[in-house]
Amino acid sequence: SQQGEEDPQALSIQEGENATMNCSYKTSINNLQWYRQNSGRGLVHLILIRSNEREKHSGRLRVTLDTSKKSSSLLITASRAADTASYFCATDDKAAGNKLTFGGGTRVLVKP
Amino acid sequence: GAVVSQHPSWVICKSGTSVKIECRSLDFQATTMFWYRQFPKQSLMLMATSNEGSKATYEQGVEKDKFLINHASLTLSTLTVTSAHPEDSSFYICSARDMGAEQFFGPGTRLTVL
Repeated sequence: SQQGEEDPQALSIQEGENATMNCSYKTSINNLQWYRQNSGRGLVHLILIRSNEREKHSGRLRVTLDTSKKSSSLLITASRAADTASYFCATDDKAAGNKLTFGGGTRVLVKP
Repeated sequence: GAVVSQHPSWVICKSGTSVKIECRSLDFQATTMFWYRQFPKQSLMLMATSNEGSKATYEQGVEKDKFLINHASLTLSTLTVTSAHPEDSSFYICSARDMGAEQFFGPGTRLTVL
């Protein structure tokens, strides 16, 4: 069953704008990961944030984690048309033997 | 980063036939491999977890006799969809993990059953 819920389900922005998407989960986690998927392709790993971390950066990506609220956010700054993709959060559940449980995903469209 | 390949990338078959999908870790030894299924515009659903040399662990609701998984070596896992039917048409993605926490995903296999 899906643990993560992502919000919004879809997002349309202009190139150069920032895109923010959120992920909520229900159980205790070891870490939370964000992935990107271009249409009909495999997943690309973006960032892993551990349960004892609150914020992490990678290039134009910024991820936050609030374990008290069981939520995470992914911010893409200065978006580009090439950022158009679906973005998924996935939680590594402490009780689930390191299996990943994926959220529903956010479909991001960056218009040039 | 680590590379995981899948073969074939797409397959079309007739209803009732069996289809085998291979997942290989190319530059690392994968102690654990995972198989996911993804329907259009939906998220990934974990089907099963396989560890080298042992039987796969299937998620609730996944028929183990229909989706046969064999993790023959530390670099190869196969998923066989037996007696495929149109409702089995989907995007199948594998991932592999070494001793660390990160899973590395294959490019996926699109199965279409006519």
